[in-house]
Amino acid sequence: GNSVTQMEGPVTLSEEAFLTINCTYTATGYPSLFWYVQYPGEGLQLLLKATKADDKGSNKGFEATYRKETTSFHLEKGSVQVSDSAVYFCALSKSGKVIFGPGTSLSVIP
Amino acid sequence: DAMVIQNPRYQVTQFGKPVTLSCSQTLNHNVMYWYQQKSSQAPKLLFHYYDKDFNNEADTPDNFQSRRPNTSFCFLDIRSPGLGDAAMYLCATSSRVPYGYTFGSGTRLTVV
Repeated sequence: GNSVTQMEGPVTLSEEAFLTINCTYTATGYPSLFWYVQYPGEGLQLLLKATKADDKGSNKGFEATYRKETTSFHLEKGSVQVSDSAVYFCALSKSGKVIFGPGTSLSVIP
Repeated sequence: DAMVIQNPRYQVTQFGKPVTLSCSQTLNHNVMYWYQQKSSQAPKLLFHYYDKDFNNEADTPDNFQSRRPNTSFCFLDIRSPGLGDAAMYLCATSSRVPYGYTFGSGTRLTVV
C-alpha cells in the first residue's frame, strides 16, 4: 500500500546550521508530495508541495525535490532559525487522500 | 481571510458522555476531512466527505460519527468517549487534493 517513511527524530541543530530531513515514499503511479509543519499546540500548515517528478517545492527558505528514481522528497534548509523549531511531516496524496509520515521533531537552539 | 475554524480549541468531556466537535470553512472546498492525532504521532484519517458523500476509513471505530449539514460545516460526534480517545482532532478541507489540504488549528480533547 501507500506509505511514507521519515528519518527519526528528534533533531537538534544550532542556529544557522544546515537542515536535511529525509523522506521516502511507497506508492503506485505518481502521487503528489508535501511537507507540512506543525508548531506546538497548532494544526498542520502546508510548507511546500510538488506534484510531478523533478518538481522543486520551496517556501520560507525550505526546499524539497520530487525524485521519482529514488522515491524521495527530502526537506532542506540552508540556515535554520530558532523559529523553525516544530514537527515536520512528509506526506503524499493518492486516490483522494493524504497519507502522512510519522513526523520529525526539530529543535533549533541559539 | 478564508480559513478553516475549529471550535472549541480545548474540550474536556467525561468518560462515556457524548461530545461533538465542530469545523467550519469559508473556502467553499467540497472535501472535508477529520483526523485524529495522538501525542507524537502522525495524523490518522477517520473519515471524509466528498460533497455529501461520506467515506469512512475501515479501521475507524463505530464510536466515531460525522455529519455535514452543508458545505461550510462538518461535525465529529464521539458517542461514548473512552480514555483512549483523548487526542488532538484536526479538520481539513480540500478542493483539489494534489494541491494539499488546509487545516484548522485543531481541538484538543481530554477525557476525564
